[in-house]
Amino acid sequence: GIQVEQSPPDLILQEGANSTLRCNFSDSVNNLQWFHQNPWGQLINLFYIPSGTKQNGRLSATTVATERYSLLYISSSQTTDSGVYFCAVMYNNNDMRFGAGTRLTVKP
Amino acid sequence: ETGVTQSPTHLIKTRGQQVTLRCSSQSGHNTVSWYQQALGQGPQFIFQYYREEENGRGNFPPRFSGLQFPNYSSELNVNALELDDSALYLCASSWGNRAGTEAFFGQGTRLTVV
Repeated sequence: GIQVEQSPPDLILQEGANSTLRCNFSDSVNNLQWFHQNPWGQLINLFYIPSGTKQNGRLSATTVATERYSLLYISSSQTTDSGVYFCAVMYNNNDMRFGAGTRLTVKP
Repeated sequence: ETGVTQSPTHLIKTRGQQVTLRCSSQSGHNTVSWYQQALGQGPQFIFQYYREEENGRGNFPPRFSGLQFPNYSSELNVNALELDDSALYLCASSWGNRAGTEAFFGQGTRLTVV
């Protein structure tokens, strides 16, 4: 089955810093999503981005499907950005495969 | 637009018991998927329901079963609970049974088996 690898596993930043999270996947996909899991466990949709580039405020994402990776950029990080970020790709039309996540801690 | 809602939010059960978790899909969505997330890991696919039929299953034993109702809400049933079933159970809704549509998740049900 498809493998999804996220890096780095942990990231500690000072408030105001920028960061890049990476997601590599082992096969072609037609569905890729980035999520932020809040401390209560809910997965918050950040981007639906099977290819191309999107921006939403301080966050942007780029997926290069031909090279099988996606990047999530967080600029001017805030303490509220802390949490776990997941990349997930669709496998077999119904099985969304998640990476192990990147745990981001933003310090004031 | 109503989001995905799950109930209950927390649950404590004893090993060997049975549990039912519930999920209401987002309005306009006809597909519900269930995921199990163990502590410190990413969610793992349990199964998906599309138009009241199971439409794919992950690597989970038959004691994990489900239902989808005509209004597209869904239940996850787990029989003969084991300690390892302790996890966050997440429900996602989407439209259609093909890749290429965005999935939206509920807030989860945290199950503790003692």
